[in-house]
Amino acid sequence: IAGITQAPTSQILAAGRRMTLRCTQDMRHNAMYWYRQDLGLGLRLIHYSNTAGTTGKGEVPDGYSVSRANTDDFPLTLASAVPSQTSVYFCASSLTGDTEAFFGQGTRLTVV
Amino acid sequence: KQEVTQIPAALSVPEGENLVLNCSFTDSAIYNLQWFRQDPGKGLTSLLLIQSSQREQTSGRLNASLDKSSGRSTLYIAASQPGDSATYLCAVMDAGGTSYGKLTFGQGTILTVHP
Repeated sequence: IAGITQAPTSQILAAGRRMTLRCTQDMRHNAMYWYRQDLGLGLRLIHYSNTAGTTGKGEVPDGYSVSRANTDDFPLTLASAVPSQTSVYFCASSLTGDTEAFFGQGTRLTVV
Repeated sequence: KQEVTQIPAALSVPEGENLVLNCSFTDSAIYNLQWFRQDPGKGLTSLLLIQSSQREQTSGRLNASLDKSSGRSTLYIAASQPGDSATYLCAVMDAGGTSYGKLTFGQGTILTVHP
């Protein structure tokens, strides 16, 4: 089934550790995004990529990095996790920047 | 900065009712507006996308309207069913080069349809 796959589904991480959240899409979408969802704050954009080889910062990029080596994959890395990064992380993609966005099932991350 | 507000925050209705969810946004310069559904512990499912040049979109029992000049959108659900129970999220994409592709979300409306 075509769509977006995120891994892991959930993770408990010790503060200070490095972690990479994986996101793969098989729809050949050009644009990909990472959002975090927090109670009371809603969904906020972390980083985005409008095409392979380019990335940009969203609303809350600090403490996160991304890469876009190819069309299908858009990993999100936490270099040194902190408790405030406890959240549910969603990867999304769209054919182009102004078309319908599709979301993955999310990664629930707890930093302790 | 774009701000998106959804009213009401929660809604509980009996099965069979027609209902309206509201979304307002502060900056009318948008590319499009998208409505999503989110079930507890799950990802977001796209329901409808309305381009800025459109006034409404329909999919089955769902109808979304857009009044860009007043900064409002409504999602109309006809003949509601218990399976419609979920959180409904509205998101806008601002026009302008640096905003391309970025969605600003509302806080959502939690809908409960009881039998």
